[in-house]
Amino acid sequence: ETGVTQTPRHLVMGMTNKKSLKCEQHLGHNAMYWYKQSAKKPLELMFVYNFKEQTENNSVPSRFSPECPNSSHLFLHLHTLQPEDSALYLCASSQPPGRGNTEAFFGQGTRLTVV
Amino acid sequence: AQSVAQPEDQVNVAEGNPLTVKCTYSVSGNPYLFWYVQYPNRGLQFLLKYITGDNLVKGSYGFEAEFNKSQTSFHLKKPSALVSDSALYFCAVREGNAGNMLTFGGGTRLMVKP
Repeated sequence: ETGVTQTPRHLVMGMTNKKSLKCEQHLGHNAMYWYKQSAKKPLELMFVYNFKEQTENNSVPSRFSPECPNSSHLFLHLHTLQPEDSALYLCASSQPPGRGNTEAFFGQGTRLTVV
Repeated sequence: AQSVAQPEDQVNVAEGNPLTVKCTYSVSGNPYLFWYVQYPNRGLQFLLKYITGDNLVKGSYGFEAEFNKSQTSFHLKKPSALVSDSALYFCAVREGNAGNMLTFGGGTRLMVKP
């Protein structure tokens, strides 16, 4: 266990559904991230939050909507997704830049299938 | 812009033999370099990192990596491979303390055969 927990582990949703992915970390970190891992592409950074503020949106379509209510929790709200959005979505946390340990810790991911 | 290249999609090695997984990087400032491992249906696990200091860094499970500034490389090594080392390995780079942008390579699948 890395201290980063993602739920659910698996999700199947229709293109008209609305669902949310949840991430929780118990490491005392103040930076949290969403990554997308597709079968044929490198890991893609989607969003970065530092101290609950979004500091990076890597040109992600608006059908993905992140929310960071506090430094321990991160959500990814999904609506009107496309089949090509099917992927493994990984949450990670770390200390922000200049705040000590630099490595990111990852959750086990949510395997999303859009039908 | 920063980038990472892992030139081999797959590396095959016999159990007990040494292994090397290659990584080269490009970054504007001082590089912070990382290796992660991913087992099937799991997230990424941190293996080791180079921030500063000795060019040879040691990490989990007997892995080590050598930072080579002139060749902009950070190859992952292990003296004696185990079948249980078979997994997907990712190299990643970040520009010093300038931000959170951790950029990953495409991954290399390591297959260790008995």
